Amino acid sequence: NAGVTQTPKFRVLKTGQSMTLLCAQDMNHEYMYWYRQDPGMGLRLIHYSVGEGTTAKGEVPDGYNVSRLKKQNFLLGLESAAPSQTSVYFCASSYSMWDPGTEAFFGQGTRLTVV
Amino acid sequence: GENVEQHPSTLSVQEGDSAVIKCTYSDSASNYFPWYKQELGKRPQLIIDIRSNVGEKKDQRIAVTLNKTAKHFSLHITETQPEDSAVYFCAASAVSWGKLQFGSGTQVVVTP
Repeated sequence: NAGVTQTPKFRVLKTGQSMTLLCAQDMNHEYMYWYRQDPGMGLRLIHYSVGEGTTAKGEVPDGYNVSRLKKQNFLLGLESAAPSQTSVYFCASSYSMWDPGTEAFFGQGTRLTVV
Repeated sequence: GENVEQHPSTLSVQEGDSAVIKCTYSDSASNYFPWYKQELGKRPQLIIDIRSNVGEKKDQRIAVTLNKTAKHFSLHITETQPEDSAVYFCAASAVSWGKLQFGSGTQVVVTP
């Protein structure tokens, strides 16, 4: 099993450009999350999804959009990239909020630089 | 919404000593409290978790305690080893929210 796979691993964008980060999981998980990780600020939740076709805002949703058209995929979009969005982005998924199945599995991360 | 605070931000310990990281949460509906370890350049991975109906859980050299009344939980690492050096994150979630909220992380450095 691949687990949680993020595409791409690295990207450099110019200010104002757009891009989509793809997260794919092959574990039939219901819950999927997008986090950004910045030095000293931990993992901050951008958006999350509790099932196919549903999305919700997290702590820092501004400047990002998401879609969950298929259960296995969770897409994070940046419509007009800004230098403040330079970060490492992690996707995670978990089976449920009930025991067992609550462990969140993370992708390998995407390092995004906006210049 | 839930707010998870984590202290300290950095922790330096001598090999063999114990390390303790503390977290507090704000929402009394939180019922699941995992701890993740992130080694340099790698993804976070679950090391231990605890649910609100349990006060303490232990797995070899690591243990987690939960005080629901005070809304805080702690990670204890005993007999620290160099391979324990990493960033540790606490988190909280509740069935009613469906989301996992993390603390700001603790950089643990174990010196030989």
